[in-house]
Amino acid sequence: DTEVTQTPKHLVMGMTNKKSLKCEQHMGHRAMYWYKQKAKKPPELMFVYSYEKLSINESVPSRFSPECPNSSLLNLHLHALQPEDSALYLCASSQESRKKNRPYNEQFFGPGTRLTVL
Amino acid sequence: AQSVAQPEDQVNVAEGNPLTVKCTYSVSGNPYLFWYVQYPNRGLQFLLKYITGDNLVKGSYGFEAEFNKSQTSFHLKKPSALVSDSALYFCAVSENSGGYQKVTFGTGTKLQVIP
Repeated sequence: DTEVTQTPKHLVMGMTNKKSLKCEQHMGHRAMYWYKQKAKKPPELMFVYSYEKLSINESVPSRFSPECPNSSLLNLHLHALQPEDSALYLCASSQESRKKNRPYNEQFFGPGTRLTVL
Repeated sequence: AQSVAQPEDQVNVAEGNPLTVKCTYSVSGNPYLFWYVQYPNRGLQFLLKYITGDNLVKGSYGFEAEFNKSQTSFHLKKPSALVSDSALYFCAVSENSGGYQKVTFGTGTKLQVIP
């Protein structure tokens, strides 16, 4: 299995709702990422988990709460979002490899969840 | 700090003609460089990467890129464009941080291949 899956594909929620986005990979990757992407803009990093521990939080508002229950699964819990949070949310995973003894990580992206906040 | 620039918001090319999408980067050490493509309402698909070794890197769908250290560039090229190549292309640079990779993306270049 060489893909990252994300559910749901589309999500519409109100500002008072609580919802969760799910990301799964079975490639044995030990790093997982959440990105937010607005239309025609580059992805913006939100969170990085490495070996199931939160390694990077790019000053994301607390209404976004990540969770990594195991090495294959990454969740993003959403609560009290604002309309400006509407975007494509991308998940990615990576595993360290080496080329000519130089370590690197190559990220594999999921198809994304299109979130609309009303 | 690392950064990457894609100077063209859009590139138009006729089908069958060669295409180039430009990218320049800035890092403090040796760069890791990537190209990704994004079709409408889809996630990012990996095209190619430069880690070390040969400066000419070949990737998916007939794309290639040349790493030029003196010009700090990593332009994406294809000898003959297809209409199906029309998409949004992102150049990215990263620094390896142990067990994960923090990537900085360029602003993206929309490639339009005209039949």
